[in-house]
Amino acid sequence: DAKTTQPNSMESNEEEPVHLPCNHSTISGTDYIHWYRQLPSQGPEYVIHGLTSNVNNRMASLAIAEDRKSSTLILHRATLRDAAVYYCILRDSRTSYGKLTFGQGTILTVHP
Amino acid sequence: GAGVSQSPRYKVAKRGQDVALRCDPISGHVSLFWYQQALGQGPEFLTYFQNEAQLDKSGLPSDRFFAERPEGSVSTLKIQRTQQEDSAVYLCASSSYTSNQPQHFGDGTRLSIL
Repeated sequence: DAKTTQPNSMESNEEEPVHLPCNHSTISGTDYIHWYRQLPSQGPEYVIHGLTSNVNNRMASLAIAEDRKSSTLILHRATLRDAAVYYCILRDSRTSYGKLTFGQGTILTVHP
Repeated sequence: GAGVSQSPRYKVAKRGQDVALRCDPISGHVSLFWYQQALGQGPEFLTYFQNEAQLDKSGLPSDRFFAERPEGSVSTLKIQRTQQEDSAVYLCASSSYTSNQPQHFGDGTRLSIL
């Protein structure tokens, strides 16, 4: 699986936007970019995914670089509940079932 | 509820005992995954089922680990002759068939081997 690189940790203030970066310079044309997050003592939770175009949903936005070698997860107004570990994962669409390969992720701390 | 349910939530066992961990996936989900998460690390893939067929068990760390899903719904992960390094959170996830559908995770079973 292609590798992703994320900062170990980031901090934000409540109600401010948060931009979580992810580098994936070896991404292949069939790789989708997925983001999951894991709150303390819970299982991972799907956030968003995309292939080439920017994506928006009720939780977040995903901005994908034109060359697809990097992407950014955007939380528009951070809340205390957004404090979690955020994982950027590449899933090969050629695999029929798409197992997830997690890295270390980014620990997001949100200050009140 | 409508989500993935795992039981027990916590399990303590003595080294050498056998344990069984249960996963109830979301109804109708074809795909079921097991992951292992060590303290401070991201989850690692163990095995995958499509309905009752175990199609990928490449992540199982040893032959002491065994998983089954006999009727294509509930799954059980069994660990025989447990060792201290088996202490971890075991996560189950389910999804619809296609590879880009989100995986829905349970809250895991925290296994502690004394």
